[in-house]
Amino acid sequence: DAKTTQPPSMDCAEGRAANLPCNHSTISGNEYVYWYRQIHSQGPQYIIHGLKNNETNEMASLIITEDRKSSTLILPHATLRDTAVYYCIVRGFQGAQKLVFGQGTRLTINP
Amino acid sequence: DTAVSQTPKYLVTQMGNDKSIKCEQNLGHDTMYWYKQDSKKFLKIMFSYNNKELIINETVPNRFSPKSPDKAHLNLHINSLELGDSAVYFCASSQIGLVSNEQFFGPGTRLTVL
Repeated sequence: DAKTTQPPSMDCAEGRAANLPCNHSTISGNEYVYWYRQIHSQGPQYIIHGLKNNETNEMASLIITEDRKSSTLILPHATLRDTAVYYCIVRGFQGAQKLVFGQGTRLTINP
Repeated sequence: DTAVSQTPKYLVTQMGNDKSIKCEQNLGHDTMYWYKQDSKKFLKIMFSYNNKELIINETVPNRFSPKSPDKAHLNLHINSLELGDSAVYFCASSQIGLVSNEQFFGPGTRLTVL
């Protein structure tokens, strides 16, 4: 699985957009970018995934650069409940693919 | 209704004991996983079962033995517990072939070995 690099921590004001970057320069053509988050003491939670097009769902938006070497997760209107560790994971799509978690980004939403 | 449930939530035991953690999912998924999160918060895959068959087995000591009696259950039995086994263990499930192929995680079991 391709390695990902994320900043260890970020802060964001409540109500503002939180933009979390991820570098995955060794991603291969058939690998997707997944984002999960882990709120304190809970199990990880799926947020969004994408291959090469930008994606949006009810939780977030995912912007993937044209060369696919980096991506940004956007939480459009961050709330206090979005405080969590966010993991960017690159993996294949077929079969039972294991999730390889890095250190993630600890996002703190401040009131 | 809880999608992925684990029991117990907390487990405190002495070194050398044998213990089990149970996991059940009611999502109808065909694949289940065990992950371990250590004190430094690193999450690592341990095992995965697809339709009751072992398909992923990372470098885990033989003292750990997963068992899948049916597609909805994946239990983890640990023999001769050691201090280093103290961690939070997460069960997860997924359905191969779904659009998102996302994994759903349970609430975790915090194991403390004294």
